[in-house]
Amino acid sequence: QKEVEQDPGPLSVPEGAIVSLNCTYSNSAFQYFMWYRQYSRKGPELLMYTYSSGNKEDGRFTAQVDKSSKYISLFIRDSQPSDSATYLCAMEVGTGTASKLTFGTGTRLQVTL
Amino acid sequence: KAGVTQTPRYLIKTRGQQVTLSCSPISGHRSVSWYQQTPGQGLQFLFEYFSETQRNKGNFPGRFSGRQFSNSRSEMNVSTLELGDSALYLCASSLVGTGYGNTIYFGEGSWLTVV
Repeated sequence: QKEVEQDPGPLSVPEGAIVSLNCTYSNSAFQYFMWYRQYSRKGPELLMYTYSSGNKEDGRFTAQVDKSSKYISLFIRDSQPSDSATYLCAMEVGTGTASKLTFGTGTRLQVTL
Repeated sequence: KAGVTQTPRYLIKTRGQQVTLSCSPISGHRSVSWYQQTPGQGLQFLFEYFSETQRNKGNFPGRFSGRQFSNSRSEMNVSTLELGDSALYLCASSLVGTGYGNTIYFGEGSWLTVV
């Protein structure tokens, strides 16, 4: 079983819909949680960064972390065709600077007109 | 400022050969990490270098190695290539590393195909 599980999709939604992307994890030591967006044939770019449990909002994006359930979510409001990409969750223990990220396999999102 | 630069972007190698990939981090960044991305396994951590020292290593065989130079540029090498090494190899840089909230920035990757 992988440390981080993520539904690969693809997830297809109409423009303007609210999108919910999720990851579950097994390592209770994870403290830092991130969401990356990756367009085809490009490197991942950081969207959201959250420490420990709670919510964080940035424009149309909201990240939620529930450490008690080992579950994180990314919500995209008013989705646009330009949001079509693969979304990767990532997390780390964060014990000092010599850390490493553990990624989910990514969810492919398609926003249709 | 310039982002993370990886070269070459695309390459094809034959089984048994070796390959060297290069990464130039963002100016001022001293930590460089390498990841392998495949459709089945996703992004997997290879290793991280800081000030020319390997600080962390993932679960990859010894055929995968790397180094970092005094100017923070990094190279990774894969020897005795296998078909399963075909992947996107991503380099990421950060100021001092990913712990305690330091974010990392990825390059566009080097696409390796082993035939």
